[in-house]
Amino acid sequence: QVHLQESGPGLVRPSGTLSLTCAVSGDSIGPDHWWNWVRQSPEKGLEWIAGISHSGTTSYNPSLKSRVTISVDKAKNQFSLILTSVTAADTAVYYCARDSLFSTGSDSHFYFDSWGQGTLVTVSS
Amino acid sequence: EIVLTQSPGTLSLSPGERVSLSCRASQTLVNNYLGWFQQKPGQPPRLLIYGVSHRATGTPDRFSGSGSGTEFTLTISRLEPEDSAVYYCLQHTGSPRTFGPGTKLEI
Repeated sequence: QVHLQESGPGLVRPSGTLSLTCAVSGDSIGPDHWWNWVRQSPEKGLEWIAGISHSGTTSYNPSLKSRVTISVDKAKNQFSLILTSVTAADTAVYYCARDSLFSTGSDSHFYFDSWGQGTLVTVSS
Repeated sequence: EIVLTQSPGTLSLSPGERVSLSCRASQTLVNNYLGWFQQKPGQPPRLLIYGVSHRATGTPDRFSGSGSGTEFTLTISRLEPEDSAVYYCLQHTGSPRTFGPGTKLEI
């Protein structure tokens, strides 16, 4: 059974850089999945931030794309998120989540099927 | 960006009752790439339904999904106390993927 664990600072100063890592165990970062970051705040609810494939192909939420970088380290079986120029609006619980392909018989598509427990990141001076 | 709205915002029901939760999309989800998630306090969301009506592994059969176009519904046929949670719909037809604001269900 796959296990995802987020790690990183819980407090980031305004205008600083948020950096998080998701360690994956019980599964290898391979071609069957995509790997994502999702955040949740009372103000914005659940918000998909970015995703990455095992080969490094990336996809970003346009609303955050200018400030976000997602990367993967297959040797360490982990992937990471960098968010620059943070403000109080970036305060949220940050989740890493695995995408798996689900088939309906006539079609297949990715859905988030495994999540980390989440880590609260507060942006404050 | 496709915006999802959910209704009602909150509801309180009794065990054994039947409930239908609504999710409305601002644009037609042509490929029916819609899922439902359940989130309990202190936990991450859990996938219940994918592709509008297909139950994920471990989802009890009292949960069912339906709909098409811009109108989708999650129905719980016989509520149990452990169904207390917030329920979110998610679309993946358009990019970026977007979630609805959630419906809080109290049993």
